[in-house]
Amino acid sequence: GEDVEQSLFLSVREGDSSVINCTYTDSSSTYLYWYKQEPGAGLQLLTYIFSNMDMKQDQRLTVLLNKKDKHLSLRIADTQTGDSAIYFCAGGTGGGNKLTFGTGTQLKVEL
Amino acid sequence: GAVVSQHPSRVICKSGTSVKIECRSLDFQATTMFWYRQFPKKSLMLMATSNEGSKATYEQGVEKDKFLINHASLTLSTLTVTSAHPEDSSFYICSARDPGQTYEQYFGPGTRLTVT
Repeated sequence: GEDVEQSLFLSVREGDSSVINCTYTDSSSTYLYWYKQEPGAGLQLLTYIFSNMDMKQDQRLTVLLNKKDKHLSLRIADTQTGDSAIYFCAGGTGGGNKLTFGTGTQLKVEL
Repeated sequence: GAVVSQHPSRVICKSGTSVKIECRSLDFQATTMFWYRQFPKKSLMLMATSNEGSKATYEQGVEKDKFLINHASLTLSTLTVTSAHPEDSSFYICSARDPGQTYEQYFGPGTRLTVT
C-alpha cells in the first residue's frame, strides 16, 4: 500500500508563514488534498490539487506539487492562532474512491 | 458545502456490549460512505467502504463480523461495534461522497468511543 509521510510537529510565530510537507510513494493519486482537524473534531477540507498541476493558490493557502520527487507542500501565509490544528495530506483517485492519509502534522502558532 | 452528521458524538459502553454509530448526509444523497478509525495522535485508517444497497467492502485486517456496516438508505450508514473491548476505544469518523462532486468527500465530526 501507499506510504504518506509528514513531519509530526511544526511551531511558528503568529504572522509568519507555515510550510507543511508531505511525501508519498504511490503516484497514482489523481487528487491530492489538505485537511485540517481541530481537537475532537472531524476533518475540514482546506484545498486540493489535481495531479497534473504544479501549484494552486487559494487566499492564504498555496499548494505545491513536485511529482518527480513525490512531494506535496502546504504554505499558510500570515499564520494565525486559529490555524493551530493537525494538518493531514491525503491522496485519492476521485471523490468516490478511498483516501490514503498522511501521518498528520501538528501546527502550533505562538504569539 | 455539504453536511455530514454523526451520532452520537461520544459514547461510553461496557466491555461485551454493542454500540451503533450513525452517519448521515444531510443535504445530499450519498451512494458511497467511508468509515475511518483514528487512534490518538495518529492518522486516519480506512476501515471499510459502504455502498448503498450492497455489502460493505472491508480493508485488510478489519474484522467484518466485529464492525458491522449497514448502508440502508442514500442518507444513512451505520457502524455497529459488536462485543466491544477496550482496544476498540477510538475516534470513528465517517465521510460521504456527493455524486455531484468529482473530487470531494465530506467528513462527519467523529464519534469518540470509550469501552470500559
